[in-house]
Amino acid sequence: EVQLVESGGGLIQPGGSLRLSCAVSGFTVISNYMSWVRQAPGKGLEWVSFIYSGGSTYYADSVKGRFTISRDNSKNMLYLQMNSLRADDTAVYYCATAKSTVTRFDYWGQGTLATVS
Amino acid sequence: QSALTQPPSASGSPGQSVTISCTGTSSDVGGYNYVSWYQQHPGKAPKLMIYEVSRRPSGVPDRFSGSKSGNTASLTVSGLQAEDEADYYCSSYAGNNNLLVFGGGTRLTVL
Repeated sequence: EVQLVESGGGLIQPGGSLRLSCAVSGFTVISNYMSWVRQAPGKGLEWVSFIYSGGSTYYADSVKGRFTISRDNSKNMLYLQMNSLRADDTAVYYCATAKSTVTRFDYWGQGTLATVS
Repeated sequence: QSALTQPPSASGSPGQSVTISCTGTSSDVGGYNYVSWYQQHPGKAPKLMIYEVSRRPSGVPDRFSGSKSGNTASLTVSGLQAEDEADYYCSSYAGNNNLLVFGGGTRLTVL
């Protein structure tokens, strides 16, 4: 059974840094396209970042240069390092994935809330 | 402002059908057959309901269907049930730079 469990959210001051983690089970992070998607309180979904199975990374313009996606294959973990945080980065951050495609998300975690204030 | 435009709300009575639209551009919805729809109940993670415009994942009732014409995609929910009341988001692949764009979401109310 596929499971994605996020952690690492919390309250952080503007300009600060936070690292989110996603523990993956049921498949290996290296075999799937892994992503972070966020949702500001009361707002819609926003794609944040992808890491391809081959290691290439992609970012939304809103986070480019500030956020870094990475993975630890030995621990089967996905990460999102968030630097220079702003109030508008406040959101629930979801870890999401689909095998062999970046065009949809078959599986989602329960999300972790990052509050920048 | 979201990249894809959805109506903020839609409603229907039990048993009726309702259609939610999702309008983009030729760079996303109109350019690829990679439109997906997600259902999100309050406090829960999104759930994939439709992918590649009209395909249903295993376990999704056939009351849910998708279509596309030009730059506009649509999700139709037939035979509305109380549990269909939720927020619905469309998304589309948008090419190598922007990858994925979402709509602003539509709150579906079952009257």
